Amino acid sequence: EAGVAQSPRYKIIEKRQSVAFWCNPISGHATLYWYQQILGQGPKLLIQFQNNGVVDDSQLPKDRFSAERLKGVDSTLKIQPAKLEDSAVYLCASSLGQYYSTDTQYFGPGTRLTVL
Amino acid sequence: DAKTTQPTSMDCAEGRAANLPCNHSTISGNEYVYWYRQIHSQGPQYIIHGLKNNETNEMASLIITEDRKSSTLILPHATLRDTAVYYCIVRGSGTYKYIFGTGTRLKVLA
Repeated sequence: EAGVAQSPRYKIIEKRQSVAFWCNPISGHATLYWYQQILGQGPKLLIQFQNNGVVDDSQLPKDRFSAERLKGVDSTLKIQPAKLEDSAVYLCASSLGQYYSTDTQYFGPGTRLTVL
Repeated sequence: DAKTTQPTSMDCAEGRAANLPCNHSTISGNEYVYWYRQIHSQGPQYIIHGLKNNETNEMASLIITEDRKSSTLILPHATLRDTAVYYCIVRGSGTYKYIFGTGTRLKVLA
């Protein structure tokens, strides 16, 4: 079974530029998550989709971050404009469905973003 | 959502059992305990989860106390490849979210 795919793996941009990350979840997984992981910290949930609807985006900085999951499969996360403090690893995860009592999340390898 | 507390770091000799503790004193009756690990430059990897009973799989064993306020992840024969940050997570029954702490950095020593 293929895992969660993410691209690119690494990205370096200047502050105020824009950047986009792509995620392809495990086939059949209804729930998709984007996390931000700053160096030395645990992952922090940015946004959660159930199919193509947003379930939780309470920690997404909506003035600069946006995400979509058209057709309920692939997802993109965009930052525009980027700030220095956005330097982090962006992780995508997927699961069968959040309403399962033992819903297990599976993570992709992440995209390491460096903002100069 | 229940919070978890883990030691910041631990060392373990190669070949010995690694016992990683986690406190989750505010856990609710229907909330599961999950363990993940993160090897450098990789995404978190699922290890095991449990509700009340002890669980074992090919990677590890999970021991949950009877009052469910703490748990221990056991890697029975640690290898150098088990060096990683280990996260204990209580999955919220209301929000279903994972809330990661800073985890335990396990170093397996040759």
